[in-house]
Amino acid sequence: GQNIDQPTEMTATEGAIVQINCTYQTSGFNGLFWYQQHAGEAPTFLSYNVLDGLEEKGRFSSFLSRSKGYSYLLLKELQMKDSASYLCAVMDSNYQLIWGAGTKLIIKP
Amino acid sequence: NAGVTQTPKFRILKIGQSMTLQCTQDMNHNYMYWYRQDPGMGLKLIYYSVGAGITDKGEVPNGYNVSRSTTEDFPLRLELAAPSQTSVYFCASSYGAESYEQYFGPGTRLTVT
Repeated sequence: GQNIDQPTEMTATEGAIVQINCTYQTSGFNGLFWYQQHAGEAPTFLSYNVLDGLEEKGRFSSFLSRSKGYSYLLLKELQMKDSASYLCAVMDSNYQLIWGAGTKLIIKP
Repeated sequence: NAGVTQTPKFRILKIGQSMTLQCTQDMNHNYMYWYRQDPGMGLKLIYYSVGAGITDKGEVPNGYNVSRSTTEDFPLRLELAAPSQTSVYFCASSYGAESYEQYFGPGTRLTVT
């Protein structure tokens, strides 16, 4: 079957760094996505990885290892507005997104 | 650009009633999707469309129907609503299958009692 695993909840301090992990087992791989979803709102796109390595975009970076079926999202200089759920999704061989349940990130002052 | 719009924002249905969730995008995207999101679960694909006149089932299509008569509109029809269909429904669109980003509408929160 297809499976995406990520921690249910994480807590971090304002100004700190946090790493949210995602492991996956899917039928085929056409890229891994990270989306941010604030409570009561729609998901919004953060990053896309299809090759191994690190992609950096401002305070956010995303890493992929296809051989390990593993990705992480790194958030630096955390701000209160980063409190949200972070969704990991893999595009399978049919170009459909398989979604993890999301990691709720709580930022404390 | 309004992006992806959905109506209504909230709806309460009685068991056995029917309704249509509306979705419109103004980005000329070919691909459109319907997802449902239940608490503590990942988004589940209900139906998708790769262009006007073409639709296909996703992971959880039972109890739903769709149509795609225009590029812009992709309504989702619920027939004979059941409590198991209580969920938040998101419509999304993208340029194509390999496109990086799916753009989401604001969602419809549906309760069936």
